[in-house]
Amino acid sequence: GAGVSQSPRYKVTKRGQDVALRCDPISGHVSLYWYRQALGQGPEFLTYFNYEAQQDKSGLPNDRFSAERPEGSISTLTIQRTEQRDSAMYRCASSLVLDTSYQETQYFGPGTRLLVL
Amino acid sequence: DAKTTQPPSMDCAEGRAANLPCNHSTISGNEYVYWYRQIHSQGPQYIIHGLKNNETNEMASLIITEDRKSSTLILPHATLRDTAVYYCIVQDSNYQLIWGAGTKLIIKP
Repeated sequence: GAGVSQSPRYKVTKRGQDVALRCDPISGHVSLYWYRQALGQGPEFLTYFNYEAQQDKSGLPNDRFSAERPEGSISTLTIQRTEQRDSAMYRCASSLVLDTSYQETQYFGPGTRLLVL
Repeated sequence: DAKTTQPPSMDCAEGRAANLPCNHSTISGNEYVYWYRQIHSQGPQYIIHGLKNNETNEMASLIITEDRKSSTLILPHATLRDTAVYYCIVQDSNYQLIWGAGTKLIIKP
């Protein structure tokens, strides 16, 4: 079946512009996660949702970053007034369910590579 | 929150078993250990997870020490396609996965 998809795959923007990154999770997956990954590093947790509810946004670097998942399916990560330091690979993952004692397997999308000039 | 320590890189000959170590000395009793891998710039791929018993699936085996302070991921017959960065991960107090830099495993012909 279809996996997690993300769009766009590449985004080049100028400093100060806003960008919106989209994630389409696996159908039926309850939990959706956003990560940022710098070159040579593991993914860094940003935020996650169960259905449409944002459960944890402690990883968002500052208030320029926001995310939503209004209908409990597709999610958008928005970065306002982008800065060069925001350049990274942004990855989305989804999982079937989040049990409070156990982390269900996460399935990752291909990522969006963001370059801020 | 528990953290993991892995060697930055390892080599293994094709066809041999690849044994990837991980230290997680501050792990709590109810925290699982997860292994993912990432090939090139693809998204990370789940391999296996465990709590305290050894686990095996079609991809790998996971050996967890009795005190749970370390574990070893075993790829029994490594192939060139197993070349990747392997991440050993534990949950934080909010049940989120805390990723380190992983081990870059290179399988040599």
